[in-house]
Amino acid sequence: DIQMTQSPSTLSASVGDRVTITCRASQSVSRFLAWYQQKPGKAPKLLIYKGSTLESGVSSRFSGSASGTEFTLTISSLQPDDFATYYCQQYNSYPRTFGQGTKVEV
Amino acid sequence: QVQLLESGPGLVRPSETLSLACTVSAGSISGYYWSWIRQTPGKGLEWIGSIYHNGNTNYNPSLKGRATISLDKSKNEFSLKVISVTSADTAVYFCAREIEWLAPFDSWGQGTLVTVSA
Repeated sequence: DIQMTQSPSTLSASVGDRVTITCRASQSVSRFLAWYQQKPGKAPKLLIYKGSTLESGVSSRFSGSASGTEFTLTISSLQPDDFATYYCQQYNSYPRTFGQGTKVEV
Repeated sequence: QVQLLESGPGLVRPSETLSLACTVSAGSISGYYWSWIRQTPGKGLEWIGSIYHNGNTNYNPSLKGRATISLDKSKNEFSLKVISVTSADTAVYFCAREIEWLAPFDSWGQGTLVTVSA
């Protein structure tokens, strides 16, 4: 299985901050990496796919980048609605695997 | 916009079978991949398996062959069965869609909590 390791596990930030979350794959996943946002009691919501492609309807303050097996999610200016948990997920091979999550809190 | 809704018992006895269904509305089940994913505080998000509209399946080896996914095109729904459940199978179960083989999960159900307890 491909292991996905996110850092940090928890991130304390304020409204307006630039936030960066990293996800590292244990082996190549090509560009088949997605980012999701999850709020308590809700299903994950797709933000970015193919490492850097913004899902339709998602704010442009979210962006993704990739370098080898390391992927980054950036929120350019944190908004109150962005306090949530973020997950990366590889879909290059089976079994599909997720990172352990990064909680963005005040 | 396609909508997914999970249904099934919220409580299952240890050693029995967990059965859930996911009804797909505002869209066809044909042409896509359909998955079950579960979430626990301890293990996070775990992909259980998926089924293509032609019936081909893939499963996570972590469930050791206990999971079976099937679909019913006439009802526009797909189902999950997990046999011989233990407390480790207690989780929120989500159904989700992939639009093609190499695609993220773009649509999700709201999730349903299944507790395994006597």
